[in-house]
Amino acid sequence: DAKTTQPNSMESNEEEPVHLPCNHSTISGTDYIHWYRQLPSQGPEYVIHGLTSNVNNRMASLAIAEDRKSSTLILHRATLRDAAVYYCILGGGADGLTFGKGTHLIIQP
Amino acid sequence: DAGVTQSPTHLIKTRGQQVTLRCSPKSGHDTVSWYQQALGQGPQFIFQYYEEEERQRGNFPDRFSGHQFPNYSSELNVNALLLGDSALYLCASSWLGVNTEAFFGQGTRLTVV
Repeated sequence: DAKTTQPNSMESNEEEPVHLPCNHSTISGTDYIHWYRQLPSQGPEYVIHGLTSNVNNRMASLAIAEDRKSSTLILHRATLRDAAVYYCILGGGADGLTFGKGTHLIIQP
Repeated sequence: DAGVTQSPTHLIKTRGQQVTLRCSPKSGHDTVSWYQQALGQGPQFIFQYYEEEERQRGNFPDRFSGHQFPNYSSELNVNALLLGDSALYLCASSWLGVNTEAFFGQGTRLTVV
């Protein structure tokens, strides 16, 4: 499985934008980039996914580098409820997800 | 829509025993995947079921087995429990396809003593 690299933790202030980076230099041409997050004491929750173009939804935006070797999850205005572990995952979508350790996002009020 | 539901929420078993965990997928989903999450770690993929067959399997021993029923619900069975099997077991459902998102349940917390 292609591997992703994320910072162990990041800290941001409430109501400010947050940029969560992910490196995936060995990504294959058919790998989608998925982001999930896991709030304390809950199962993971889908955030967003994309293949080549930047993607937006109600939760976040996903910016994908032109060479696809890195991507950035953007939370436009963080709230305390966004404090969670964020996982960047590569895959074909139909297969089981390979989670790493993710980035622990801390939001300061 | 109740989403993905798992039962029980918590369970305590003794080493050597067997356990069965249950999962009802989100309405309309045909694919169920199971994950094991140890404390402080990301979830690890156990296996995936589609059309009542195991479609894909992660790096887990044969002590871990599963089943999918005609109504798409699923069971995870673990035999000969070890202390190291203590973890949060997560079920995820989805439609089988290239571009789909998975919906996770709240998990079953299994403690082996």
